[in-house]
Amino acid sequence: NAGVTQTPKFQVLKTGQSMTLQCAQDMNHEYMSWYRQDPGMGLRLIHYSVGAGITDQGEVPNGYNVSRSTTEDFPLRLLSAAPSQTSVYFCASSVTAGEQFFGPGTRLTVL
Amino acid sequence: AQSVTQLDSQVPVFEEAPVELRCNYSSSVSVYLFWYVQYPNQGLQLLLKYLSGSTLVESINGFEAEFNKSQTSFHLRKPSVHISDTAEYFCAVSENDYKLSFGAGTTVTVRA
Repeated sequence: NAGVTQTPKFQVLKTGQSMTLQCAQDMNHEYMSWYRQDPGMGLRLIHYSVGAGITDQGEVPNGYNVSRSTTEDFPLRLLSAAPSQTSVYFCASSVTAGEQFFGPGTRLTVL
Repeated sequence: AQSVTQLDSQVPVFEEAPVELRCNYSSSVSVYLFWYVQYPNQGLQLLLKYLSGSTLVESINGFEAEFNKSQTSFHLRKPSVHISDTAEYFCAVSENDYKLSFGAGTTVTVRA
């Protein structure tokens, strides 16, 4: 099993550009989530999904969209990138409440 | 909604010395508690978890944490650290609904 994979590993955007961060898992987990990690703030939940076709907002959803068309994939879209979205983004998946498996992260810089 | 406070942002420690990382949480319902570790330039890995049962939980690499319901704490300890334990440690809590709330993290730096 590859576990949770994320692409790209690094990305630089200009303000106003859009892009999609990819996340996939091969463990048949129903629950998937996106977090952003900023210094001194830990990880904050952006969006999550409890199964294909079901998504909901987390703590910091503004500026991000998600969809869940399959169990395996959970892409995160930045519609119009802003410097405040410079961060490290982690995708995670879970089969039980709480215990989540994390991907390696995407480091995003918005200029 | 739950919240997590990690009381120390930086913990320097000498090799083979003990270390304790403090974590307090607030919640109005029963919770699951976790410690995750993040090595430099990597993702998060689960270190240990409390779901139910014994309040003392252990990891395979010598860490242990004790759930104290009356003090709403879940402190992490290791009696003797190694250089390889240098990492950032995150305490997290879940109110059994799949969503995790994380503390701000504690950076442990082990020196020879």
